[in-house]
Amino acid sequence: QVQLQESGPGLVKPSETLSLTCAVSGYSISSGYYWGWIRQPPGKGLEWIGSGFHTGSANYNPSLKSRVTISVDTSKNQFSLKVTSVTAADTAVYYCARHSYGVASFFDSWGQGTLVTVSS
Amino acid sequence: QSVLTQPASVSGSPGQSITISCTGTSSDVGDYNYVSWYQKHPGKAPKLMIYDVNKGPSGASNRFSGSKSGNTASLTISGLQAEDEADYYCCSYAGSGIWVFGGGTKLTVL
Repeated sequence: QVQLQESGPGLVKPSETLSLTCAVSGYSISSGYYWGWIRQPPGKGLEWIGSGFHTGSANYNPSLKSRVTISVDTSKNQFSLKVTSVTAADTAVYYCARHSYGVASFFDSWGQGTLVTVSS
Repeated sequence: QSVLTQPASVSGSPGQSITISCTGTSSDVGDYNYVSWYQKHPGKAPKLMIYDVNKGPSGASNRFSGSKSGNTASLTISGLQAEDEADYYCCSYAGSGIWVFGGGTKLTVL
């Protein structure tokens, strides 16, 4: 059974870079699927941030594209998210998820989520 | 503002059926059969309930069903149970590798 676990700082200062990692167990990242990041600001709905593939390709939410990078590390079986120039609006619970895209499309396995607060 | 529009709240009594709508455009819901639905309890990770408009993942309850007509997708929950009380989110492919979520609907079981 695939399991995902997010890790990273819970507090980031405004204008700095938010960095999170998602460790995957029970499934080899290089075997397929996209690997996505989704966030939920306090009291708001879910927002897709982007999804990456083990080949290095990635797709991003147009509203965040200029500040976001998703990379996949097959040697460590993990993938990561970087968001630059953060503001209070980036405060959210960040989830990583396995993302099927193509024959069938869904986010079927999720991490427990990690709260990132942007504050000085 | 979310790209897909959902009602903020719906409610129903145990045993009843409810339907949650998810309205998009001809560029997302209306153009692709890639609509999925997620159940989210407070403090928990989202759980996939329906994918590709009307398919249920293995092990999922058959009380949950999905459909689509034009630019609007719908999730129906039959035989409401107390544990169904949660937030529900729709998600659709919008082309060019982009995915969009709805604003979420809070389901209250009376």
